[in-house]
Amino acid sequence: DIQMTQSPSSLSASVGDRVTITCRASQRINSNLNWYQQKPGRAPKLLIYAASSLQSGVPSRFSGSGSGTEFALTISSLQPEDFSTYYCQQSNAIPYTFGQGTKLEIK
Amino acid sequence: QLQLQESGPGLVKPSETLSLTCTVSGGSISSTPYYWGWIRQPPGKGLEWIGSIYYSGITYHNPSLKSRDTISIDTSKNQFSLKLSSVTAADTAVYFCVSFPPDTSIVASYFDYWGQGTLVTVSS
Repeated sequence: DIQMTQSPSSLSASVGDRVTITCRASQRINSNLNWYQQKPGRAPKLLIYAASSLQSGVPSRFSGSGSGTEFALTISSLQPEDFSTYYCQQSNAIPYTFGQGTKLEIK
Repeated sequence: QLQLQESGPGLVKPSETLSLTCTVSGGSISSTPYYWGWIRQPPGKGLEWIGSIYYSGITYHNPSLKSRDTISIDTSKNQFSLKLSSVTAADTAVYFCVSFPPDTSIVASYFDYWGQGTLVTVSS
């Protein structure tokens, strides 16, 4: 299985900050990397697919980058509603695997 | 826009079979080439892909479940289902049903619609 490792596991930031979450794959996965946001008690929501494509309806302050084994999710200016847990997921090979999650908290 | 809704017992006894159904609305489960799937999340933990099914009935599974899972599709009811046998406390989780975008492959894709999730507790 492809292992996905996110860093950091948790992050404290303030409204208006620029934050970056990274995701590393244990082997090359081309650009087959997706990002999801999950709020407590809710289903995850797709933010970015294919490493850098913004899902319809997702604010443009979210962006994704990377290919191969190193990927990043950047939020350019944090809004109050962005404080959530974020997961990366590889779709390059079965079984699909997720990172362990990054919890973004208000400083 | 698709809507997915999980249903099934919230409590299952150890060694028994967990059975969940996902009802799809806003589109036909079989008229467009779609993949569908199941993902679970133990309380306070991360996400695990269980398996997926193509509208034609072809299935894909996570080997970590050691073939305990069965995924099927019922086009007459616009539903797909998950059965997980020989459950233990480790199978306690919120179970989500998901869809892939239409006309995509089983790899290089993503989960664009999610059900709200249903908590299944394994306990005697």
